[in-house]
Amino acid sequence: QSALTQPASVSGSPGHSITISCTGTSNDIGGYNYVSWYQQHPGKAPKLMIFDVTDRPSGVSDRFSGSKSGNTASLTISGLQAEDEADYYCTSYTNKGTFGVFGGGTKLTVL
Amino acid sequence: QLQLQESGPGLVKPSETLSLTCNVSGGSISSSQNWGWIRQPPGKGLEWIGKIFYSVSPYYHPSLSDRITISVDTSKNQFYLTMNSVTVADTAVYYCVRPTGVGGHYPDFWGQGTLVTVSS
Repeated sequence: QSALTQPASVSGSPGHSITISCTGTSNDIGGYNYVSWYQQHPGKAPKLMIFDVTDRPSGVSDRFSGSKSGNTASLTISGLQAEDEADYYCTSYTNKGTFGVFGGGTKLTVL
Repeated sequence: QLQLQESGPGLVKPSETLSLTCNVSGGSISSSQNWGWIRQPPGKGLEWIGKIFYSVSPYYHPSLSDRITISVDTSKNQFYLTMNSVTVADTAVYYCVRPTGVGGHYPDFWGQGTLVTVSS
């Protein structure tokens, strides 16, 4: 059982927007603005898409955005494209251990 | 651009020792404070294995702490993972990473990953 809770799957049509949620506690997401998101295509390493809740690394499309409310963080992808179909993982700093905590991952299907 | 590349045996027998190397290129391993390992069992999510700060202070996941060692060789620009007494449950893709952020809680650079299968 993962420390952070994500939906197992989400889907959306090309050009539309989707949001993936990531729920934790006050010991992690709710207590700190240190949430990151990764995109992972099959057989590939995860790629950092969002860090510190809302920041994008250089080179990441501005179609990807992050937000947080209380103990839940969200990743929104606008203008869905076929290439966005992948697994997405959230992670957060936690005051309960030395390592960040991961979500279980969400499979995004572009219809 | 920093690049990480894992290497090691793809097949290890149960009860034996797994040894992986991560070669760092595009930058000096001494220039970063933190290096680490994450694994992903087939079809499952991401799990921290451990990380090492300033090449001397390792932190191991509690569930693995009695079986793993992480070390750094600055002269070779490499860092390493050793895992003893492996079982089939250790079958996974192993990634070397550069942890960053507060306490090194998330990686910004990842190797491509190497699949390690534990089987007799």
